[in-house]
Amino acid sequence: DARVTQTPRDKVTEMGQEVTMRCQPILGHNTVFWYRQTMMQGLELLAYFRNRAPLDDSGMPKDRFSAEMPDATLATLKIQPSEPRDSAVYFCASGSYQGLGEQYFGPGTRLTVT
Amino acid sequence: DAKTTQPPSMDCAEGRAANLPCNHSTISGNEYVYWYRQIHSQGPQYIIHGLKNNETNEMASLIITEDRKSSTLILPHATLRDTAVYYCIVRASNAGGTSYGKLTFGQGTILTVHP
Repeated sequence: DARVTQTPRDKVTEMGQEVTMRCQPILGHNTVFWYRQTMMQGLELLAYFRNRAPLDDSGMPKDRFSAEMPDATLATLKIQPSEPRDSAVYFCASGSYQGLGEQYFGPGTRLTVT
Repeated sequence: DAKTTQPPSMDCAEGRAANLPCNHSTISGNEYVYWYRQIHSQGPQYIIHGLKNNETNEMASLIITEDRKSSTLILPHATLRDTAVYYCIVRASNAGGTSYGKLTFGQGTILTVHP
């Protein structure tokens, strides 16, 4: 049963620290998405990649957030420096180009910045 | 992408059909209707999608009106595990474009299934 995996599942850090979240997409999927979910804003798309190239990162605060895909099996989302307002659940999702928009989500990383 | 409107919450008795409506009156010809759900503390889960014909899979049925301005997701025999937030999303099928695959989630409908 192929699944998207994310690590860590929970992260508590202090303001100003660097945070790196990792995602392993489903093997063979060439599109990877990063979402953030908060009670106030709901699910927001931060960035997405196709064939490891960034297609849209307009939802991401550029000054502190960065997203990369070093290879086809790993996507990373980094926050540096972290702030309390970054506290949220971060989801990674993957899909295939031929999948017509079906996205498969990971379990999420719950980030708490104190 | 077209905007959708869903009721904020609905209740359903276990074993009965749950019919979740979605209004997308500004939908255009190349836009698909997608349904996802999110069970508490989990990532969203794809349910079904359609363009203009009714669709059925092992999870649910999707009924799209002839004018495509609204749709209904049907869970034929709701169980307690179907309690979740259900999202109706409209997205263009511009294959090859940079927005291909991009989904915009609204507030959804909180479905509570009661014993």
